[in-house]
Amino acid sequence: DSGVTQTPKHLITATGQRVTLRCSPRSGDLSVYWYQQSLDQGLQFLIQYYNGEERAKGNILERFSAQQFPDLHSELNLSSLELGDSALYFCASSVTLFSAGYNEQFFGPGTRLTVL
Amino acid sequence: AQTVTQSQPEMSVQEAETVTLSCTYDTSESNYYLFWYKQPPSRQMILVIRQEAYKQQNATENRFSVNFQKAAKSFSLKISDSQLGDTAMYFCAFSSQGAQKLVFGQGTRLTINP
Repeated sequence: DSGVTQTPKHLITATGQRVTLRCSPRSGDLSVYWYQQSLDQGLQFLIQYYNGEERAKGNILERFSAQQFPDLHSELNLSSLELGDSALYFCASSVTLFSAGYNEQFFGPGTRLTVL
Repeated sequence: AQTVTQSQPEMSVQEAETVTLSCTYDTSESNYYLFWYKQPPSRQMILVIRQEAYKQQNATENRFSVNFQKAAKSFSLKISDSQLGDTAMYFCAFSSQGAQKLVFGQGTRLTINP
């Protein structure tokens, strides 16, 4: 158990709908990252938040948005869903000490989104 | 932009054999980090091993070791005495110093046969 929790585990919805995925980081971790994994592909970085602020952005679609709340949990909002959005969405967290070279990311179990 | 390439979509070996997974990457940076992640059927992402680019010594973690060739931009994973529990997707990943995001390869599906 990495200490990162994600809800729900599975989500089935229809095209055109909107969903919200939730992530709670490990205690003490200030950074949250979102990744998308489609059909046994590699993970694609979507976005990073650090202590409530957007820190880095990847190839995130305009239909997708995220935020990190004061209690440090994060939500990923996916709207106007398309069939191609079906994927496993991972959240990861890290302490993020900028004085350190690298801060290990701990991954949650993922949310499997199926768009029908 | 950094890219990570894993040229072996699938591999299969017998239990107790040694297997090597290949990874190449492209970057113009001199300081960075490389990783191998394991994703078993449960889909959990598990960090197997990490290598800092400034370290010449190859990282090892029990039965797992890497062959890091910085000039060739190559980062292979060797699994010794393979076990049935090693069956999983293996992803090579890159992170530049300062930037926290991970850039992943497409993965290698490894099957260990009894």
